[in-house]
Amino acid sequence: DAKTTQPPSMDCAEGRAANLPCNHSTISGNEYVYWYRQIHSQGPQYIIHGLKNNETNEMASLIITEDRKSSTLILPHATLRDTAVYYCIVRVGRSGGSNYKLTFGKGTLLTVNP
Amino acid sequence: GAGVSQSPSNKVTEKGKDVELRCDPISGHTALYWYRQSLGQGLEFLIYFQGNSAPDKSGLPSDRFSAERTGESVSTLTIQRTQQEDSAVYLCASSLQVSSTDTQYFGPGTRLTVL
Repeated sequence: DAKTTQPPSMDCAEGRAANLPCNHSTISGNEYVYWYRQIHSQGPQYIIHGLKNNETNEMASLIITEDRKSSTLILPHATLRDTAVYYCIVRVGRSGGSNYKLTFGKGTLLTVNP
Repeated sequence: GAGVSQSPSNKVTEKGKDVELRCDPISGHTALYWYRQSLGQGLEFLIYFQGNSAPDKSGLPSDRFSAERTGESVSTLTIQRTQQEDSAVYLCASSLQVSSTDTQYFGPGTRLTVL
């Protein structure tokens, strides 16, 4: 799986949009961009994923650049409960082999401030 | 709907004792995974079950670790003769494995402390 680069930490004011960047310049054509987050002392929580097109769900939006070398996770109205470590990973789709083994990098610690 | 559940949420044991951790996957999910996360560390893959296929045990750190799964339901991870280095959060995840992307959903984890 391609490696990703994320800033170690970010701050965001409550109620504002949080924009978390991720660089994945070596991404392959069959690799998806996934975002998870981990709130302190909890299990990782799936947020969203995409291949080429921008995606939106009830939690967040994912903006992927046209060349797919970077992406941004957007939390439109951050709350204090969104304080967590956010992980961006890229992985191939389910095509056999051992690509099911998830690995997280260090992620971005997002702190939402009142 | 219900997510992945794990029990117990916390387990404190003495060195040398055996422990059993339980995972209930999301109903209908055919794939089940065990990971562990040591303090400040990333995810470490342990084992993967998919339907009736032979499990991928390649991540188990020693023969003291074993896991079972009954059909497509509950799984138990057993650690025999626990050591202090086994202290970690043990995470279970499940996935549907019918789509190309196969999203894994995690449980809350079991925090194991070996004294």
